[in-house]
Amino acid sequence: NAGVTQTPKFRVLKTGQSMTLLCAQDMNHEYMYWYRQDPGMGLRLIHYSVGEGTTAKGEVPDGYNVSRLKKQNFLLGLESAAPSQTSVYFCASSQDRSQPQHFGDGTRLSIL
Amino acid sequence: DQQVKQNSPSLSVQEGRISILNCDYTNSMFDYFLWYKKYPAEGPTFLISISSIKDKNEDGRFTVFLNKSAKHLSLHIVPSQPGDSAVYFCAAMPSGTYKYIFGTGTRLKVLA
Repeated sequence: NAGVTQTPKFRVLKTGQSMTLLCAQDMNHEYMYWYRQDPGMGLRLIHYSVGEGTTAKGEVPDGYNVSRLKKQNFLLGLESAAPSQTSVYFCASSQDRSQPQHFGDGTRLSIL
Repeated sequence: DQQVKQNSPSLSVQEGRISILNCDYTNSMFDYFLWYKKYPAEGPTFLISISSIKDKNEDGRFTVFLNKSAKHLSLHIVPSQPGDSAVYFCAAMPSGTYKYIFGTGTRLKVLA
């Protein structure tokens, strides 16, 4: 029972490089979310999706783009990585707004 | 502006005693609250939730209390066990939205 799977688990980038983080869920959930966690800051919402083909901005969307072409996948893109984007990124999904979110184990991203 | 605040970064409790974790919020439009537990190198896992129409919810050793007039949420763990040692996040969702706002977390250490 996989739940929410994030790929990759670790990555080191150079400033200006691009990359895509993949989130896949096998629970047929409608809602999906991308968060970043920084020391002393808790979890901050980057972007979210309330269904296939939809995306919306969260609290800290600048520098990121997302796509939800398939219901089970939610991609987070960094077009031109910056050191300020060094963080741990978490993906989550839920069936509806009042249901708890299920989280992946995170992607640790370092940008030099 | 931090709408959800966990003012205690850390808490130590003796095994078998009660752990009380606190969370304060500023937005009276929050209608759903959750607590998550997070171990190192893992994603947050859902612990317990409460709707704004209730003031208490219990699940085994875990009880969440909601005081709407004080805009205060607390999680009680009785009895505390060493395996409860983790970081605990509270989260709140404003009515009519799909986004949780997380607190900064409290690190609980249960001493054997």
